[in-house]
Amino acid sequence: EVQLVESGGGLIQPGGSLRLSCAALRFAVSDNYMNWVRQAPGKGPEWVSVIYSGGSTFYADSVKGRFTISRDISRNTLYLQMNNLEVDDTAVYYCARRLVAAAEAMDVWGKGTTVIVSS
Amino acid sequence: IQLTQSPSSLSASVGDRVTITCRASERVTKNLNWYQQKPGEAPKLLIYGIFSLQGGVPSRFSGGGYGTDFTLTISSLQPEDSAIYYCQQSEKAPSFGGGTKVEIE
Repeated sequence: EVQLVESGGGLIQPGGSLRLSCAALRFAVSDNYMNWVRQAPGKGPEWVSVIYSGGSTFYADSVKGRFTISRDISRNTLYLQMNNLEVDDTAVYYCARRLVAAAEAMDVWGKGTTVIVSS
Repeated sequence: IQLTQSPSSLSASVGDRVTITCRASERVTKNLNWYQQKPGEAPKLLIYGIFSLQGGVPSRFSGGGYGTDFTLTISSLQPEDSAIYYCQQSEKAPSFGGGTKVEIE
């Protein structure tokens, strides 16, 4: 069974930095559109960023210039570097695979890692 | 593209037919998807490409719609269907609807 496992969340002060990791099991990160999606407490999901199979990256306006998505093909792992964190970045962060062949739906999700930005 | 779901919540009995609506601010040709989320869990894909049922999802779930108006229907509500349902589009930068909370009476 394909699987995604996130790690790296925690409590961080405003202005701080954090790097999230997402290990993929039984499929290749490099062959897929890999996304980060976050969900603030009591809110709906919010798409954050994508890295396409070709390596192009895109970001939501709310994180552009502060967050960087990347991948390590040898480790089959996706990353999200988050800098200059704000209180509004507090959320559960999920990585998700987006399938081009299925209306670009997100068919595989990790369990999420929690980021709390607070002083 | 902004997605507006209605109702925001509903309560229905086991066996009832339930329909959730998702209205898009722009035309969506095909990349409209539906997810189910239970407390403490990640969203789970139910329907992709407006109509297509994801593998392993019960056939009582179905999707429909065209243009800017889309629906998720549960033909016979079951106790395990208590959850929040989200529509999502990937026509442009992905976005999600505000969610519909479904409760069992």
